[in-house]
Amino acid sequence: QSVLTQPPSVSAAPGQKVTISCSGTSSNIGNNYVSWYQQLPGTAPKLLIYDDHNRPSGIPDRFSVSKSGTSATLGITGLQTGDEADYYCGTWDTSLSAAVFGGGTKLTVL
Amino acid sequence: QVQLVQSGAEVKKPGSSVKVSCKASGVIFNSNAISWVRQAPGQGLEWMGGIIAIFGTPKYAQRFQGRVTITADKSTSTAYLELNSLTSEDTAVYYCARGSGYAFPSNWFDPWGQGTLVTVSS
Repeated sequence: QSVLTQPPSVSAAPGQKVTISCSGTSSNIGNNYVSWYQQLPGTAPKLLIYDDHNRPSGIPDRFSVSKSGTSATLGITGLQTGDEADYYCGTWDTSLSAAVFGGGTKLTVL
Repeated sequence: QVQLVQSGAEVKKPGSSVKVSCKASGVIFNSNAISWVRQAPGQGLEWMGGIIAIFGTPKYAQRFQGRVTITADKSTSTAYLELNSLTSEDTAVYYCARGSGYAFPSNWFDPWGQGTLVTVSS
């Protein structure tokens, strides 16, 4: 059972937009920065978003995040088949004094 | 280029121990905490703990306390994860990753090592 809650799967057609939610509490998302990771099949996770809404160099602006209170949402526009992957949210949990992640969301581009 | 390179796959018997290594570039090792995250087959990511490499100070997730040891060798810029009393539930890919900042909390992890598959089987 993951500390952060994500939907198991989402899907959309190429060119469309999809959102992935990540829900937590005041001890994690509510008072700490959120990061997002993309994990392509058989590969290590890759940082997609850090410090709530910043994109590392090389990550296109098709990826964006909104955050409110104890939840964050990753949005992906202009979906491509290459976006098919598992997506994870992560943050620090102050009560647990540990990094925590969501259970992951599998994105299917139909 | 910032990079983390991990040791190869391991097959272990239940009850034994495993030690996985993670060699980092010098810049990472002196400036960042290194964390270990594992992923069981078909499952999500689980943070196990990490180390403030420059000081050698470890931090562990509560559920692994007493069973995991994370160390760092500054001379070779290598971090190690040792996990004891292995069971089949420890079968997973183990990743090391650079954390934001040189201490904890780590707000993000980048880059990640390529992963080390540890299989626990009799």
